[in-house]
Amino acid sequence: GESVGLHLPTLSVQEGDNSIINCAYSNSASDYFIWYKQESGKGPQFIIDIRSNMDKRQGQRVTVLLNKTVKHLSLQIAATQPGDSAVYFCAEFTGGFKTIFGAGTRLFVKA
Amino acid sequence: KAGVTQTPRYLIKTRGQQVTLSCSPISGHRSVSWYQQTPGQGLQFLFEYFSETQRNKGNFPGRFSGRQFSNSRSEMNVSTLELGDSALYLCASSSLYRGGAYNEQFFGPGTRLTVL
Repeated sequence: GESVGLHLPTLSVQEGDNSIINCAYSNSASDYFIWYKQESGKGPQFIIDIRSNMDKRQGQRVTVLLNKTVKHLSLQIAATQPGDSAVYFCAEFTGGFKTIFGAGTRLFVKA
Repeated sequence: KAGVTQTPRYLIKTRGQQVTLSCSPISGHRSVSWYQQTPGQGLQFLFEYFSETQRNKGNFPGRFSGRQFSNSRSEMNVSTLELGDSALYLCASSSLYRGGAYNEQFFGPGTRLTVL
């Protein structure tokens, strides 16, 4: 069936370093992807999105890369800060107004 | 602009009971989606409503149901509660999907349901 998964359940980085969070998806028909950040006690918060007709999109300190050939997404966070500590989810939209979320990666930022 | 609000924030029920959760979307948003979040299963899609119509449903038993009102507010109901229904239930709203393009979903803080 359809699934969106993450390679690493936890990631620990030093403050100031760059972080890379990966995600694999299985539905080649997915045409829209979002990365969310979820802090403890809060709902997921939109970080950045990308459509399938793109392979890279940049935001403020974040970049999302999409490789449709291997069905892989990554989220790069530049100069990681303690406030970036959270769980990060990738999500795919396959049409039909349904979103499939990945399992999540917990990012720890060491000061 | 106020964000997505969910009530109640916390709820404790016993097995066999039923529960109704409420979600008020961001003003002007007509699409409301519901998700169940558990440590074991992660975030799972329950259903999506737009203009009072359910447009898609996830793989959940019929005990899970929902509806949307004319003001876009939405409720979800779980009947005959089971221990495994303990979870964080999240609601997300989105503006109209235009021309096949998707728009960002804004999430509420969730309702933490505990079934004893």
